[in-house]
Amino acid sequence: AQSVTQPDIHITVSEGASLELRCNYSYGATPYLFWYVQSPGQGLQLLLKYFSGDTLVQGIKGFEAEFKRSQSSFNLRKPSVHWSDAAEYFCAVVSGAGSYQLTFGKGTKLSVIP
Amino acid sequence: NAGVTQTPKFQVLKTGQSMTLQCAQDMNHEYMSWYRQDPGMGLRLIHYSVGAGITDQGEVPNGYNVSRSTTEDFPLRLLSAAPSQTSVYFCASSLQGPSSYNEQFFGPGTRLTVL
Repeated sequence: AQSVTQPDIHITVSEGASLELRCNYSYGATPYLFWYVQSPGQGLQLLLKYFSGDTLVQGIKGFEAEFKRSQSSFNLRKPSVHWSDAAEYFCAVVSGAGSYQLTFGKGTKLSVIP
Repeated sequence: NAGVTQTPKFQVLKTGQSMTLQCAQDMNHEYMSWYRQDPGMGLRLIHYSVGAGITDQGEVPNGYNVSRSTTEDFPLRLLSAAPSQTSVYFCASSLQGPSSYNEQFFGPGTRLTVL
């Protein structure tokens, strides 16, 4: 069965600093990978997704993620964090074409210090 | 478009009561799903549907029923609520399933407390 691990439960960064959120997946073939963001009291919003092709994926709000097959990772990055980026971030995986089940990691809460 | 709507926003139940969480979308999406979110657990799939009349179980289906009589609506039923079902419930929809290139849209959630 597919699974997703987000090793960091909570990360605190200063505004303007760079950010990297880690995500590792477990699946034999190439999965479809997603990053979602959830602001407090809100639903989830898709930041970016990887299905195939270029391993560096650009998303909304200045985020990017890199798929590394050798490390089974799909880490989310942002060069300069803004206070409005404070939220919870979820990595998710689908096991491939025809799969209907999206599996989420447990999430990483991001706090931003002014 | 209203997107994905969920009602109610908040609900308190007593153990053993039944209720239905409503989910509707106006985007003509074939795929709809229900998740529950618990602290430190992320989102877990309860049930999903790939079209009217077709439903299937997700990771945590016990204690929940679903049906899909129309494309627009996908209600989630708790037949006999238990404190373990205290959670935030999210409905999501997409044109096709999550393995397609279509974005999944999430509703605002329903916060359920079972006493």
